[in-house]
Amino acid sequence: KAGVTQTPRYLIKTRGQQVTLSCSPISGHRSVSWYQQTPGQGLQFLFEYFSETQRNKGNFPGRFSGRQFSNSRSEMNVSTLELGDSALYLCASSGGTSGYEQYFGPGTRLTVT
Amino acid sequence: KNEVEQSPQNLTAQEGEFITINCSYSVGISALHWLQQHPGGGIVSLFMLSSGKKKHGRLIATINIQEKHSSLHITASHPRDSAVYICAVYNNNDMRFGAGTRLTVKP
Repeated sequence: KAGVTQTPRYLIKTRGQQVTLSCSPISGHRSVSWYQQTPGQGLQFLFEYFSETQRNKGNFPGRFSGRQFSNSRSEMNVSTLELGDSALYLCASSGGTSGYEQYFGPGTRLTVT
Repeated sequence: KNEVEQSPQNLTAQEGEFITINCSYSVGISALHWLQQHPGGGIVSLFMLSSGKKKHGRLIATINIQEKHSSLHITASHPRDSAVYICAVYNNNDMRFGAGTRLTVKP
């Protein structure tokens, strides 16, 4: 079974731009969660989608948004990028909610200059 | 105070040593995860616990719900165990993470 894939793996953007990251979960998994990892804050929960519905959202500004498609693939979007958005963005899929075992993708490393 | 506290922050061991990493949390949880992150960022889920003890190979994870504490043990440690180990708790559709324990196992 193929693992969780994320595209792109690396991305460089300029302040003020927007970015869209993609996550394809393991086949059959309906839950996709997104996380941000920075050296200063560590891992933080962004949001979780289950069957195309956002189940929960972490404490991030509205510039961070996401969606999930009927095939469970998910995208997250960050608008009006700030330098502090530079981070590793990880997605994880699960057969249930994120209370179930999660399988992580390799991450997208975003650098904002 | 963080809701999820891990100790120690850094740990250096000699190959073959028994290792314990601790995680304490202050919120009610429905599950606790132990994650392993290697250099380069890839994260692997090692265990998901809601009670008791789980074992996988040389790894053992325990949780005491009453004391809000979990431990991850590595027996017969090996240099390939060198990684950051992260404790994460799940409750109400939200996950909170510890800061991680950086383990270095020397040959």
